[in-house]
Amino acid sequence: EAAVTQSPRNKVAVTGGKVTLSCNQTNNHNNMYWYRQDTGHGLRLIHYSYGAGSTEKGDIPDGYKASRPSQENFSLILELATPSQTSVYFCASGGGLGGRDQDTQYFGPGTRLLVL
Amino acid sequence: GDQVEQSPSALSLHEGTGSALRCNFTTTMRAVQWFQQNSRGSLINLFYLASGTKENGRLKSTFNSKESYSTLHIRDAQLEDSGTYFCAAEEYGSSGNKLIFGIGTLLSVKP
Repeated sequence: EAAVTQSPRNKVAVTGGKVTLSCNQTNNHNNMYWYRQDTGHGLRLIHYSYGAGSTEKGDIPDGYKASRPSQENFSLILELATPSQTSVYFCASGGGLGGRDQDTQYFGPGTRLLVL
Repeated sequence: GDQVEQSPSALSLHEGTGSALRCNFTTTMRAVQWFQQNSRGSLINLFYLASGTKENGRLKSTFNSKESYSTLHIRDAQLEDSGTYFCAAEEYGSSGNKLIFGIGTLLSVKP
């Protein structure tokens, strides 16, 4: 099973502060994703990446930036955190090879973010 | 998202019984994944299907792209099956293998 790790696992931030969430995968997957999970919405895609140096907007990108400095690492950045960004954030990786089961997405354990 | 309609929203089963969860799609999907979110919040991969049926132990899933639905059957439910089950689908023509999630089915298995 693919291994995806996230740090920190819990974070308390102040409104207006900068928050960086980190994700690492060790399975050489091309694609990586950031989602947030809120009650009543399931998971929603914020940003994703096809590989090192690539970042793409997902369905709800406003207020977030992303960075993919290497194949293994994908960060989500909140430059000016707001209370509405309080949520659970999940990172995922997937093959992106266009070949059926290789496109399976594997999720990290999640990061609980509270913005006060 | 609105393109993935998941039902029921909640389900209660007694140990040893079974049931089916369903996702209907309002657009054409090329693949579906099913996940279980456990009590710790972790998302556990159950199935990835581009078509047809897959089975794993007490779980079986079917994806019919033409008729725009997917099902997850659970038989002989156990206490550890409790949790929230999500389906997530890849829309035809979208880039990046992006997943659109349903809002989940909360399953409670009771002794």
